[in-house]
Amino acid sequence: DQQVKQNSPSLSVQEGRISILNCDYTNSMFDYFLWYKKYPAEGPTFLISISSIKDKNEDGRFTVFLNKSAKHLSLHIVPSQPGDSAVYFCAAFSSFSGTYKYIFGTGTRLKVLA
Amino acid sequence: DGGITQSPKYLFRKEGQNVTLSCEQNLNHDAMYWYRQDPGQGLRLIYYSQIVNDFQKGDIAEGYSVSREKKESFPLTVTSAQKNPTAFYLCASSIGGTGTVNYGYTFGSGTRLTVV
Repeated sequence: DQQVKQNSPSLSVQEGRISILNCDYTNSMFDYFLWYKKYPAEGPTFLISISSIKDKNEDGRFTVFLNKSAKHLSLHIVPSQPGDSAVYFCAAFSSFSGTYKYIFGTGTRLKVLA
Repeated sequence: DGGITQSPKYLFRKEGQNVTLSCEQNLNHDAMYWYRQDPGQGLRLIYYSQIVNDFQKGDIAEGYSVSREKKESFPLTVTSAQKNPTAFYLCASSIGGTGTVNYGYTFGSGTRLTVV
């Protein structure tokens, strides 16, 4: 059962436009979320985070929005650049039963067209 | 310079052989994790360890084994029981416990395993 879902496996956007990547989760107990960026043949790197007590967090060109009632978060990249082309994973923090780990979505491959 | 190192970067295995993937970190992190990435499957958790000498199965542990004898090291063995081992394997570490929530994971650069 996939607790964190990224329903769009891929997305193409023109350079300079906005990229919107979406993530849905099923468990209302998740209270912290991260976005990771991954280039081919490399490990993911941390991009931006958001706590469930907030509905928005911004860092430069990257903004994450959280809608707790809909159990939905999104990552906005404005303006999109060719170097943003990568796979993006959202992750939700789980602290059930004394274990502490992040649960990852399946990823969305973003391609920014020059 | 602290980080997490996976070796080798590329590994070829003959069918029926066991192979061990190395993961070492010098971040003084308590928790370590192994993930497998396949096209369209995202990151699937194989095993994780929250503290030395302790580890738990993740979602796809069958055909894999791990050990955590030292804080710095969390090697993954892909056994011959793993029927489809060709994949990209990622190791990660975190502070552990509730500290994990704020700092997330640090990932290694991965090992690509191919069965020949």
